[in-house]
Amino acid sequence: EVQLVESGGGLVQPGGSLRLSCGASGFIFSSASMNWVRQAPGKGLEWVSWISRSSNVIHYAESVRGRFTISGDNAKNSLYLEMNSLRAEDTAVYYCTRDRPGVGLDSWGQGTLVTVSS
Amino acid sequence: DIQMTQSPSFVSASVGDRVTITCRASQVISRYLIWYQQKPGKAPNLLIYAASNLQSGVPSRFSGSGSGTDFTLTITSLQPEDFATYYCQQGDTFPYTFGQGTKLEIK
Repeated sequence: EVQLVESGGGLVQPGGSLRLSCGASGFIFSSASMNWVRQAPGKGLEWVSWISRSSNVIHYAESVRGRFTISGDNAKNSLYLEMNSLRAEDTAVYYCTRDRPGVGLDSWGQGTLVTVSS
Repeated sequence: DIQMTQSPSFVSASVGDRVTITCRASQVISRYLIWYQQKPGKAPNLLIYAASNLQSGVPSRFSGSGSGTDFTLTITSLQPEDFATYYCQQGDTFPYTFGQGTKLEIK
């Protein structure tokens, strides 16, 4: 069974930094492309970032480009999101998702809440 | 960026009803259209991929159709567990984009 477990969320002040982690199991992590998707309280889904299975191709949403960095560690079966210069509008539940080619975001973690507030 | 527009944003229906939700892309996305269901406090769940393919384990009362820019999600014979929010997403081009969501409520 595919499992994705996020951690690292919490309360951070504007301008601060946070690192999210996502532990993966139940599939060959090194063969999968992965995403981060977020959802602000009471709002819809917003795609944040994508990393290829080999980590050599990365895409970001314009809203986070230059502030967020996605990475993966195949040895640890883990996905990360380094978030810097955080803003109030980054407040959201952040989901780690697996991206199956031709299918879509077929597996999601439970999400981790990031709150940016003074 | 490709804009995804869902309609309606809210729909009220009864158990046993048939409901159709529409998703329109701002440019052609072929069939790279995915539908998700999200229940309160839970992560989204993939229902339909490539516009019309039912994900494993999803009941057959869910179906999808369309290509190009116009797509629909149809739920026949609504069940109590179907009352949720539904999102479309295009997987054709980065940045991936989602529709704003359609909340399906019990009448």
